[in-house]
Amino acid sequence: LAKTTQPISMDSYEGQEVNITCSHNNIATNDYITWYQQFPSQGPRFIIQGYKTKVTNEVASLFIPADRKSSTLSLPRVSLSDTAVYYCLVYSWGKLQFGAGTQVVVTP
Amino acid sequence: GAGVSQSPRYKVAKRGQDVALRCDPISGHVSLFWYQQALGQGPEFLTYFQNEAQLDKSGLPSDRFFAERPEGSVSTLKIQRTQQEDSAVYLCASSQVAGVLDTQYFGPGTRLTVL
Repeated sequence: LAKTTQPISMDSYEGQEVNITCSHNNIATNDYITWYQQFPSQGPRFIIQGYKTKVTNEVASLFIPADRKSSTLSLPRVSLSDTAVYYCLVYSWGKLQFGAGTQVVVTP
Repeated sequence: GAGVSQSPRYKVAKRGQDVALRCDPISGHVSLFWYQQALGQGPEFLTYFQNEAQLDKSGLPSDRFFAERPEGSVSTLKIQRTQQEDSAVYLCASSQVAGVLDTQYFGPGTRLTVL
């Protein structure tokens, strides 16, 4: 069964750019890659979704290489309120699979 | 409009008790998902409904777990004869259209503790 992997944690300072990469070797051909943000005691919240190349919205960018075996979430100019756990979600081999999450800690 | 709501937010059960967890999805959303999230882990898929039809229950860990959505709106996840390993946060999500690829909107979860 395919595995979705991402780094356990990342530290950053306010104002920096944070890039989180998720590996999903066996993503289904027609599947989207979705990233969610989760704060303690809350459910995950949608950040961004993409299929290929690059997608940008008001809060993040998502970079997906041509082979789609990985994706990188980019958070520009993070603030303290961006401290959270970030998850990638893919549909692979008939299964919805979340990564284990990346804890991002932003300090002043 | 209102988001996804779940009740209760916290549930403590003695081992062997039955529990029922409720999910109120966003009105009009066709798809509904249940996930189990252990401490420090990502959500693990349990089951998926399209309207009232349970199309995928492959993630349910045992036959003690049962989910229903009889009228295609509110859903209930029932766990019979709870065990300590059932302790987790149970998340419900809904999405607007049919299928598993659409954006999911999550509720706050129900934290189940089995003593």
